[in-house]
Amino acid sequence: GDSVTQMEGPVTLSEEAFLTINCTYTATGYPSLFWYVQYPGEGLQLLLKATKADDKGSNKGFEATYRKETTSFHLEKGSVQVSDSAVYFCALKASSGGYNKLIFGAGTRLAVHP
Amino acid sequence: DAEITQSPRHKITETGRQVTLACHQTWNHNNMFWYRQDLGHGLRLIHYSYGVQDTNKGEVSDGYSVSRSNTEDLPLTLESAASSQTSVYFCASSERQGRNSEQYFGPGTRLTVT
Repeated sequence: GDSVTQMEGPVTLSEEAFLTINCTYTATGYPSLFWYVQYPGEGLQLLLKATKADDKGSNKGFEATYRKETTSFHLEKGSVQVSDSAVYFCALKASSGGYNKLIFGAGTRLAVHP
Repeated sequence: DAEITQSPRHKITETGRQVTLACHQTWNHNNMFWYRQDLGHGLRLIHYSYGVQDTNKGEVSDGYSVSRSNTEDLPLTLESAASSQTSVYFCASSERQGRNSEQYFGPGTRLTVT
């Protein structure tokens, strides 16, 4: 079945460091790909998405490119801030029996220190 | 502003008791979802609804039920709470069903079953 695998955390970085969180997926058909962010004590918020191969989603300095050949959707940011500390979830949505299920990875916790 | 709310935010209950978690959205979205979040598993779908009087089982529906009597609300009931149901529960809604559509999440309910 469809699945999402993302790198285990926690990821600990200093402020202004470069961030990469790896995400790979397995899906039949042509899924849409998402990154959600969960700040402490809050629900999930959509960070960015890409709906077809080679699309790049971007928001708040974060980027991810839909790579069909490597089935990947890695999240990157050039210079992280303390306020980026959160849990990041990679997810896909693919058609399955008429319902478009949102399938999540396990999440990666990011801690950024000054 | 439109929003999605959950209540209570925290709940402690005993094994065997019936518990109902509330979810209310003011976007007038037809599609609503319940997930549970457990360490190492990301979010897993419990039940979902496409509209009034419609309910469907997700991947981890055993021991849970939902009902949809109006557009705004999708309460989640644990018929006889078990310790394995200790988790954080998130409600979500979406305007459309398509694979590109975004889901909006509530702040979550932390449930502890003792």
